[in-house]
Amino acid sequence: LAKTTQPISMDSYEGQEVNITCSHNNIATNDYITWYQQFPSQGPRFIIQGYKTKVTNEVASLFIPADRKSSTLSLPRVSLSDTAVYYCLVGEFHTGGFKTIFGAGTRLFVKA
Amino acid sequence: GAVVSQHPSRVICKSGTSVKIECRSLDFQATTMFWYRQFPKQSLMLMATSNEGSKATYEQGVEKDKFLINHASLTLSTLTVTSAHPEDSSFYICSAREGQSYEQYFGPGTRLTVT
Repeated sequence: LAKTTQPISMDSYEGQEVNITCSHNNIATNDYITWYQQFPSQGPRFIIQGYKTKVTNEVASLFIPADRKSSTLSLPRVSLSDTAVYYCLVGEFHTGGFKTIFGAGTRLFVKA
Repeated sequence: GAVVSQHPSRVICKSGTSVKIECRSLDFQATTMFWYRQFPKQSLMLMATSNEGSKATYEQGVEKDKFLINHASLTLSTLTVTSAHPEDSSFYICSAREGQSYEQYFGPGTRLTVT
């Protein structure tokens, strides 16, 4: 399984755009990239998923370069409630089934 | 979106007893369910993967006789922590996947405290 590397933490201010980059150098052809958000004592919440190029939904954008060795989650205008841990995952089907492994995640602190 | 529930949300038990945690997919059939454990300030650690009707696949270092997983139906998986000890105190989270989807739907987690 491809290992992911993200910054341990990031600080931002309300109203700013936040970009969190994840490195996944060993991503396989069949891997998709998924980002989750987690608040303390809650299960992770799906943010966005993509395979290549750019994906956008109502809460975020995901940019994936052609080589797919990294991806960037973009949160357009953060608020205090976006303070959370953000995880980048790559998941694939293999002989044992489907599997994803969580990396360390990025702790985002949004300040007023 | 798809909803996954867990019960109980928190449980306190005495050392040496067993605790069962349920994970249910409420509006879809979960082909695969996953169990994670998360210690404070740490990431989620995958414990095991279970497919409906078959034995769970445990990650390296996870004792299958201590953490019993049953995925008896397409909407229910259970994790039983047997002979619990204080070091088993943690946040246990399940997730479920439908069919061949790449997306996992996570439950709200269960806080286990062993005294």
